[in-house]
Amino acid sequence: GAVVSQHPSRVICKSGTSVKIECRSLDFQATTMFWYRQFPKKSLMLMATSNEGSKATYEQGVEKDKFLINHASLTLSTLTVTSAHPEDSSFYICSAGTSGRVDEQFFGPGTRLTVL
Amino acid sequence: RKEVEQDPGPFNVPEGATVAFNCTYSNSASQSFFWYRQDCRKEPKLLMSVYSSGNEDGRFTAQLNRASQYISLLIRDSKLSDSATYLCVVSNDYKLSFGAGTTVTVRA
Repeated sequence: GAVVSQHPSRVICKSGTSVKIECRSLDFQATTMFWYRQFPKKSLMLMATSNEGSKATYEQGVEKDKFLINHASLTLSTLTVTSAHPEDSSFYICSAGTSGRVDEQFFGPGTRLTVL
Repeated sequence: RKEVEQDPGPFNVPEGATVAFNCTYSNSASQSFFWYRQDCRKEPKLLMSVYSSGNEDGRFTAQLNRASQYISLLIRDSKLSDSATYLCVVSNDYKLSFGAGTTVTVRA
């Protein structure tokens, strides 16, 4: 149980395009989903917390107009990187928390974004 | 100051050896503590939660020292499959803060 999927697993795009990443909890309802970014040899950095049916809460320094988050249902959250630039190239990972133990999060396999 | 700090390693050990490493955290109000394992280019996976009394899961032993704000992980009888990056994770108000990881390489 507690499987989280992400799609796509890898994307390469041109500078200026927008990229949408989907995060799905496959066998449980995720009241909260989290989006992280990880640069090589660095720690995962929380970008935003997403609750179903409400606006996402962004961490300090994360541009909400740049990284659009939609949590449309209890099993789906999307992250859209708008007008991507090479510095947005990173490993984006989502996680989902269950209502019981939100601090134990189940991670998706990640999406590797490369912006040319 | 980073919320969670870890020695990046790498720790290169032979099979069968014991390896141990720590992490420190800055927020004394942190509530929950975990060790995650991350393989190259993969997502983190929960290895074990860490409790104040210390806990063991097979060959892995975790300790928490709240007074000194550090967490430790000890791996006994290392296997080749233990080669990975181990992430120290601290939770506060349901937000997880990650260390940058300690890399362990077990050699045959």
